[in-house]
Amino acid sequence: QLQLQESGPGLVKPSETLSLTCTVSGDSISGSRYYWGWIRQPPGKGLEWIGSLYYTGITYYTPSLKSRVTISVDTSKNQFSLKLSSVTAADTAVYFCLGVVVINMLGQWGQGTQVTVSS
Amino acid sequence: FMLTQPHSVSESPGKTVTISCTGSSGSIATNYVQWYQQRPGSAPTTVIYQNSLRPSGVPDRFSGSIDSSSNSASLTISGLKTDDEADYYCQSHDSSKWVFGGGTKLTV
Repeated sequence: QLQLQESGPGLVKPSETLSLTCTVSGDSISGSRYYWGWIRQPPGKGLEWIGSLYYTGITYYTPSLKSRVTISVDTSKNQFSLKLSSVTAADTAVYFCLGVVVINMLGQWGQGTQVTVSS
Repeated sequence: FMLTQPHSVSESPGKTVTISCTGSSGSIATNYVQWYQQRPGSAPTTVIYQNSLRPSGVPDRFSGSIDSSSNSASLTISGLKTDDEADYYCQSHDSSKWVFGGGTKLTV
């Protein structure tokens, strides 16, 4: 069964870069079986899609964050990563990674990781 | 493209509740709709995918459907249990963008 686990610093200073990693187990991150995505949830608010990595290698980002976001994959470690630059307090949220089966859109979520932006 | 959900719904144990998810434009039937359950302090989990399919382990009290005439998707939960109390989010796609509804708080 596919499992995902987020990791990274829980505290980031304003103007710095937030870096998170999602480690995938139970299946290979390579190949054409899955889409991979990052979603965040600010305190007391709903889910916000950040961006996705398709098996073609193409990435898609939400327009409001596109200038600051990079999603990449490390197949040797079975991981994919999120980098969000120039963070502010508005980027404080729980960050989730998500793996979605391409043929039927069945999704498996990571447990989430809290990231606070503060000096 | 946006997905609109009611902010909250409330129903008694044992009853049936339906949560709607309305697409702002185009046809909601163009792309699959998923439904996620999120209990307080926990990650979301999938309760419905591909419009109406249930992952293993999700009881058949949960069902999903699409209504093209109203451009909406629905999540129906029958035989409500207090354990069903959670936030529910619909999700679909607009081109290659993933779109989430604003979420519905279900009180049982």
